Amino acid sequence: EVQLLESGGGLVQPGGSLRLSCAASGFTSSSYDMSWVRRAPGKGLEWVSAISSSGAATYYADSVKGRFTISRDNSKNTLYLQMNSLRAEDTAVYYCAKRAPSFDLWGRGTLVTVSS
Amino acid sequence: EIVMTQSPATLSVSPGERATLSCRASQSVSSNLAWYQQIPGQAPRLLIYGASTRATGIPARFSGSGSGTEFTLTISSLQSEDFAVYYCQQYNNWPLTFGGGTKVEIK
Repeated sequence: EVQLLESGGGLVQPGGSLRLSCAASGFTSSSYDMSWVRRAPGKGLEWVSAISSSGAATYYADSVKGRFTISRDNSKNTLYLQMNSLRAEDTAVYYCAKRAPSFDLWGRGTLVTVSS
Repeated sequence: EIVMTQSPATLSVSPGERATLSCRASQSVSSNLAWYQQIPGQAPRLLIYGASTRATGIPARFSGSGSGTEFTLTISSLQSEDFAVYYCQQYNNWPLTFGGGTKVEIK
């Protein structure tokens, strides 16, 4: 089955760090650009970051630039999002998505809550 | 940054009726526009890409049109499973941006 499965979410204090993972199965993820998209409570979808198929190119929303780092390990079919200096406004469900170039496959999401 | 504006914010429609959702881009995105459906508690699902091409497995009652800055998603006859939030998204320029969403609710 073709799917994406996120993990690594949880409760973290403001200023803390968290690393999200997204495991791909059923397809060769190394052939595709990948992204992280989030949805904060009561808000709409917000694109967070993207990475090219090789990992050579990365892109970030201004709201996370300098704090979040996207990476991938194609040997493990896994995408990552390292989140540092977390703020309350980063609280959201984080989805990974396959970009082709619209997002044609999404994971179920992992919840990140930033609160003291 | 390209700002995507969706209207209306909420659309109340009876089952079987037609729904028309709008999306406007602050500058041209050519046909690099996608529509997604999100049901509460579920991941978003791609409906339309390239402004007018239905994604795999999407019923023919969903159709997209437009190019440049004005786009429309039409659901020809609403079914119970179509009541959800719909988002447009441009992928012509970085950063990728979504509209604020249109909630389609039962009238």
